[in-house]
Amino acid sequence: EPEVTQTPSHQVTQMGQEVILRCVPISNHLYFYWYRQILGQKVEFLVSFYNNEISEKSEIFDDQFSVERPDGSNFTLKIRSTKLEDSAMYFCASSPRTSADIQYFGAGTRLSVL
Amino acid sequence: GENVEQHPSTLSVQEGDSAVIKCTYSDSASNYFPWYKQELGKRPQLIIDIRSNVGEKKDQRIAVTLNKTAKHFSLHITETQPEDSAVYFCAAKGGTSYGKLTFGQGTILTVHP
Repeated sequence: EPEVTQTPSHQVTQMGQEVILRCVPISNHLYFYWYRQILGQKVEFLVSFYNNEISEKSEIFDDQFSVERPDGSNFTLKIRSTKLEDSAMYFCASSPRTSADIQYFGAGTRLSVL
Repeated sequence: GENVEQHPSTLSVQEGDSAVIKCTYSDSASNYFPWYKQELGKRPQLIIDIRSNVGEKKDQRIAVTLNKTAKHFSLHITETQPEDSAVYFCAAKGGTSYGKLTFGQGTILTVHP
């Protein structure tokens, strides 16, 4: 069964550094999402992406965040200058053309900012 | 914006019992309500979903009910098994959303053999 793949599984970085979290959505999916979950809190929506542009973003997704689909398979989340409060589990998800509602999640990248 | 509340935060049952997890939402325009199961260290997996034009949906031992008037929906698991032990998340998609899911806090379900 096809799966959303995220790398790395754990990323440790120093405050102020840039990080790029990588995701390979399920092949032929057209809608892509990033969510995050701070330890002990709810899963929170960050951004949705369709047709090479952001279709929706939350208040969390400020200027330090950006997303990109650099080629036909990868979907990346960049955090320009990490802060301690960016430490969280980041989930990528994708949806097929036939149903933008049904979202398939990756296993997540745990980001630790020191 | 949408707000989803989920209860209980933890639920402990004996194998074979039923388990019920409840969620309420705030946006009356929300039209899609999925449930995800997350085992320790694994990805959230969609186990069942319901749309706002349906009141109930079943898939073997799991069922979801939706009350649009009261703005709540529930997950029902019958004949629970130890492998049902996991964290369960409910979510809602707003009517004007491009796919944004708003999640509940999660319920840790433990099924004792």
